[in-house]
Amino acid sequence: QKEVEQNSGPLSVPEGAIASLNCTYSDRVSQSFFWYRQYSGKSPELIMSIYSNGDKEDGRFTAQLNKASQYVSLLIRDSQPSDSATYLCAVNDGNQFYFGTGTSLTVIP
Amino acid sequence: GAGVSQSPRYKVAKRGQDVALRCDPISGHVSLFWYQQALGQGPEFLTYFQNEAQLDKSGLPSDRFFAERPEGSVSTLKIQRTQQEDSAVYLCASSLAVGAGGRYEQYFGPGTRLTVT
Repeated sequence: QKEVEQNSGPLSVPEGAIASLNCTYSDRVSQSFFWYRQYSGKSPELIMSIYSNGDKEDGRFTAQLNKASQYVSLLIRDSQPSDSATYLCAVNDGNQFYFGTGTSLTVIP
Repeated sequence: GAGVSQSPRYKVAKRGQDVALRCDPISGHVSLFWYQQALGQGPEFLTYFQNEAQLDKSGLPSDRFFAERPEGSVSTLKIQRTQQEDSAVYLCASSLAVGAGGRYEQYFGPGTRLTVT
């Protein structure tokens, strides 16, 4: 059984702070990694993908991947109230996508 | 189209009724996935297609669930004799392809919220 683990939270950060979201996965052959944002009552929206070890930055978002330790993280800089959502980690093994249960983030104005 | 579309957006069914949920993927996307999402959970894989071929249906919870994509584009998820435990949001997603290191991003439709009474 391939597992993707996330801390369900809730995680609360003040506006302007850095939010750090973590994800671990069980399958060493996992090949690609994704972060989705899901607002309440909406469907998941892709915000980042990462395929190689290291950091990948896109605006206020930075994804970090460490395949040896089997974890992937998402940093959100200068957090805004509009970032308040559930963040889903997803892992692809070349075929299926496996999702974590999500971390709920609240950014406090 | 610009994105993945799904219909209906909401469906209320009486227990025992059959339902059909439709997904129209992004044009040119070869792979299509169906997920079930319960409240407070991540999407759970149901099945996926590459073109018209159903490559994996291991996530379908029972033989009451059936999916098809006969022409490699639009897909339908059918649930026969609905039960209350089938109440959930059903999400469809598409990607350009799968394989090749998994380097293809997946995009979701708005989902269909199914309520079985």
